[in-house]
Amino acid sequence: RKEVEQDPGPFNVPEGATVAFNCTYSNSASQSFFWYRQDCRKEPKLLMSVYSSGNEDGRFTAQLNRASQYISLLIRDSKLSDSATYLCVVNLLSNTGKLIFGQGTTLQVKP
Amino acid sequence: DVKVTQSSRYLVKRTGEKVFLECVQDMDHENMFWYRQDPGLGLRLIYFSYDVKMKEKGDIPEGYSVSREKKERFSLILESASTNQTSMYLCASSLGGGSGELFFGEGSRLTVL
Repeated sequence: RKEVEQDPGPFNVPEGATVAFNCTYSNSASQSFFWYRQDCRKEPKLLMSVYSSGNEDGRFTAQLNRASQYISLLIRDSKLSDSATYLCVVNLLSNTGKLIFGQGTTLQVKP
Repeated sequence: DVKVTQSSRYLVKRTGEKVFLECVQDMDHENMFWYRQDPGLGLRLIYFSYDVKMKEKGDIPEGYSVSREKKERFSLILESASTNQTSMYLCASSLGGGSGELFFGEGSRLTVL
């Protein structure tokens, strides 16, 4: 079983739609969680951290469910520029920088 | 501005050649990482380093070695390149303490013929 699992998609949605991605992780000792964004032929970049209480950044909302070991990302009012691959990322130990990446979920927002 | 620079964007090598991939960061970060990214497999950690002259194996270290002689530079070495090492290689750095923010270079696409 992979340590971090995501549905690879692609998710094809119209502009303005709301779309949600889920991610599950296998190690209950995981300490911190993140969503990264990777544009086509570019390097990944941090989108947002995920906190136990849930957190929001504009149109993006991230949630963590430790009991069920999953993380979600909700994008409201999708824009064409949101088209990218979204990577779920887990840090097993809080005092190291070693991150485990999911394979990513591809989002295509269409006009 | 934060910067991670990988020496080569595209390389083509022959089976059996020795390959060096260089990575330099200008942020005085303690941690540096080498990942490879393949379709359907995502990013997989090859090696990482917490400090100068220190290295730790990641999930797929076989066929690779690394060198960190200076804090800002982390090199990935393929002693004898093989076709299954054709991939996109991404270098990253981060502050110590597991902040979660990795800063990536633009990647080096290696093709082994």
